[in-house]
Amino acid sequence: IAGITQAPTSQILAAGRRMTLRCTQDMRHNAMYWYRQDLGLGLRLIHYSNTAGTTGKGEVPDGYSVSRANTDDFPLTLASAVPSQTSVYFCASSDPGRALNEQFFGPGTRLTVL
Amino acid sequence: KQEVTQIPAALSVPEGENLVLNCSFTDSAIYNLQWFRQDPGKGLTSLLLIQSSQREQTSGRLNASLDKSSGRSTLYIAASQPGDSATYLCAVSPFQDRGSTLGRLYFGRGTQLTVWP
Repeated sequence: IAGITQAPTSQILAAGRRMTLRCTQDMRHNAMYWYRQDLGLGLRLIHYSNTAGTTGKGEVPDGYSVSRANTDDFPLTLASAVPSQTSVYFCASSDPGRALNEQFFGPGTRLTVL
Repeated sequence: KQEVTQIPAALSVPEGENLVLNCSFTDSAIYNLQWFRQDPGKGLTSLLLIQSSQREQTSGRLNASLDKSSGRSTLYIAASQPGDSATYLCAVSPFQDRGSTLGRLYFGRGTQLTVWP
C-alpha cells in the first residue's frame, strides 16, 4: 500500500441500506478526514479524527458515523442511506505535528443511492 | 466560517498561453494554503503548498503566490499545455487551535481549465 486506499471504488445502494466506506493509510498520519464532493458545492468535511480514538463532526455530519480504532483505518458508515447521500466521497490524511501539514487524498468512492 | 472563492469557474485557452487562476478567502488566520489538481473522475493531487509565512512556491511551470493579509492566492501556469486540462482547487487550512480541527481544509469550488491544441 502506498498512500491512501479507499474501497469500494463505486457502489450503487438501495435507500435504507447500511453501507461502510473503507479508508486505509500507510503514512502513519495522525489526522484523517472524510469529505464529500458534490457538483456545484465543492468538497465539504463530514467527519474528522485528530488521533486514534478520537473523532469529531465536520460541516455535514448528519446520517454518517465514523470510528478510529487505530492510526491506519478510518471507516465511514451510512446507517440508513438516503438519495441525498449520492456523492463522491474522499478520504484524506495529514500530520498536523509536521510543519507543512500537507493533506493527501485517496482516489474516492462514487456512491449512488437509489 | 471560512469561505473560499475561485475565479473564474471555467477557463478555455489555446496551448502556450500563460494563465492566472485566482483564489480568495475570507479569514486571514490560515495555517497554509494548498492548490490541487483534479482530473475527471479522479482524486485530488497536491500541486503546491504555501505556508502562511511564505509568499510563494514554485514547481516547474507552476507558481503559487499568497497574500494572507488581503486573503488572496494566485496560481500561475506558464506555457500551458493540453495536459494541463483539469479542475484546479484551492484550499485553506485554518490556524491550529487546540480542541478543534487541526488540519481540515476549506475548499473553493474550483476552476475548470481546458487547454486546446
